[in-house]
Amino acid sequence: QMQLVESGGGVVQPGGSLRLSCAASGFTFSTFGMNWVRQAPGKGLEWVAFIRYNGKDKDYADSVKGRFTISRDNSKNTLYLEMNRLQPEDTAVYFCAKVSIKYSSSPDLDFWGQGTLVIVSS
Amino acid sequence: SYELTQPPSVSVSPGQTAVITCSGDYLANAYICWYQQKSGQSPLLVIFQDTKRPSGIPERFSGSKSRNTATLTISGTQALDEADYYCQAWDSSDPRVLFGGGTKLTVL
Repeated sequence: QMQLVESGGGVVQPGGSLRLSCAASGFTFSTFGMNWVRQAPGKGLEWVAFIRYNGKDKDYADSVKGRFTISRDNSKNTLYLEMNRLQPEDTAVYFCAKVSIKYSSSPDLDFWGQGTLVIVSS
Repeated sequence: SYELTQPPSVSVSPGQTAVITCSGDYLANAYICWYQQKSGQSPLLVIFQDTKRPSGIPERFSGSKSRNTATLTISGTQALDEADYYCQAWDSSDPRVLFGGGTKLTVL
């Protein structure tokens, strides 16, 4: 069955970097756009980034633009989020989520991973 | 900047109809999704493209939109529907994806 498994979270100091991974299985990863969405402790959902199925288009929330980079390796069925210049306000659970329709950019996110926690603290 | 406004909380008795609204200036041209998130779980898509229900989502969940307000309606609300609900908006002319602040649905 479909699975999205995030990894790479942890504790990092302000100004530090971290790379998150999301391993996909149970569907044809290379045909679906993917997103990262985060949720600060006790807060709501915040969209972070989107990458097209072929990796050629990427979009970012204003809050992370220039600091975070989304990428994917379709040969490894894996999504990534490279996070640089991390700040305490980046502390959150980071979810990877799959777009529902093949080749679409519309963010109907029909399957989500369990999330990985990132804590930015000195 | 664009914002989506949801009521922080809605309460309903079992068997009654719960209505959760989501308002924003640019909703008229945006696609709306609704997600259910139970405590400690990942979000679950319950409505997409304003009114469509993914397979496996009960018929008691429905969505509608009128101008700048989208509405999630849960008919015959059950105790297991108790969760946080988030609206999400996306306009193809603007790549940003916006979530509302979330509504905590309590089934009393």
